[in-house]
Amino acid sequence: DTGVSQNPRHKITKRGQNVTFRCDPISEHNRLYWYRQTLGQGPEFLTYFQNEAQLEKSRLLSDRFSAERPKGSFSTLEIQRTEQGDSAMYLCASSFPPDQITDTQYFGPGTRLTVL
Amino acid sequence: GIQVEQSPPDLILQEGANSTLRCNFSDSVNNLQWFHQNPWGQLINLFYIPSGTKQNGRLSATTVATERYSLLYISSSQTTDSGVYFCALADRGSTLGRLYFGRGTQLTVWP
Repeated sequence: DTGVSQNPRHKITKRGQNVTFRCDPISEHNRLYWYRQTLGQGPEFLTYFQNEAQLEKSRLLSDRFSAERPKGSFSTLEIQRTEQGDSAMYLCASSFPPDQITDTQYFGPGTRLTVL
Repeated sequence: GIQVEQSPPDLILQEGANSTLRCNFSDSVNNLQWFHQNPWGQLINLFYIPSGTKQNGRLSATTVATERYSLLYISSSQTTDSGVYFCALADRGSTLGRLYFGRGTQLTVWP
């Protein structure tokens, strides 16, 4: 069990540029989540995949954000035309719930985005 | 969505002291997890505890679902316990597992 991995760990970009982050979940975990965390706050849900299907999106996920999980394994989160308000830590989590209720999520180390 | 309140927001302790962190929530929950976020931002799972009591070394947790609160106990604290502790829950009305986080308790343990 190698844990959830995320790349890159840090990204600095200029306003208006596009950025893409990658998340590799724990092997065989069918659920994958993206969260965003700003300074002094708890993480906030962005979106969720079960296998390759994107089943829920938060209102925080504006049209500039898109997420994919093409083969039900790794996932990418793209932000187009970045704004300074997008600066945050982007966290990925995965899980393999044994039933419809029990769902322990395991988090990756995050990607810290700074938009100048 | 479900409301999650954590207290206290900040806690400063001397090494060796005990502490209790509280998490209150507004609705019935399916899933309740406690996490420790280290200084590098990594969220580390401590407990999955939608109800009942669990212990792991110096840490233990209790959730009283009917009264909508959970407690995390840290005994004989060490400097490595420093960081932010989060309570996170999934709404009982949802099977999708989306977690709602509190704002956390910032714990600082001095040697």
